[in-house]
Amino acid sequence: EAGVVQSPRYKIIEKKQPVAFWCNPISGHNTLYWYRQNLGQGPELLIRYENEEAVDDSQLPKDRFSAERLKGVDSTLKIQPAELGDSAVYLCASATGGSWWETQYFGPGTRLLVL
Amino acid sequence: GNSVTQMEGPVTLSEEAFLTINCTYTATGYPSLFWYVQYPGEGLQLLLKATKADDKGSNKGFEATYRKETTSFHLEKGSVQVSDSAVYFCALSKETSGSRLTFGEGTQLTVNP
Repeated sequence: EAGVVQSPRYKIIEKKQPVAFWCNPISGHNTLYWYRQNLGQGPELLIRYENEEAVDDSQLPKDRFSAERLKGVDSTLKIQPAELGDSAVYLCASATGGSWWETQYFGPGTRLLVL
Repeated sequence: GNSVTQMEGPVTLSEEAFLTINCTYTATGYPSLFWYVQYPGEGLQLLLKATKADDKGSNKGFEATYRKETTSFHLEKGSVQVSDSAVYFCALSKETSGSRLTFGEGTQLTVNP
């Protein structure tokens, strides 16, 4: 079974530029998560989708971040414009039903460096 | 709010040594507790979990017991190997927070031959 796929794996951009990250979850997983992991810290949730619906986006900085999950499968996370403080690893995870006791399966992440 | 505190790292051990990584949490009710591991260059993967008090999660020789009275979920392994070198994250999830995982800061473990 294929795992969670993310691309690109690495991205270097200059501040004020836009950037987008793509995630393909495990087949059949209805719940998709985007987390941000700053250096030396644990991941923090940005947004959670149940199928196409964003059900928890309370931690998403909506002035510059946006996300979509068209057709309830793949998802894209966008930052526009990027700031120096956005340098981090962006992790995508998926789960079958999104219950709070379920295992979340993580992708390898996209490491973003903003110069 | 919910929070997870892990012992400060990094931790360096010799092969076959005993490992303990402490994890305590702050949350009301009965959260589910998890240990995730991140090997170099790879994504986070679940190591073990426990969903109710006194449950013991185990996998690959690692164990952790959900202690409600001490709000702890310490990770242990009797004999570590070089291949166990990784970053270990303790995390919790609560019904009232959806399925959001709240992570600790992670503990870097290095095992020397």
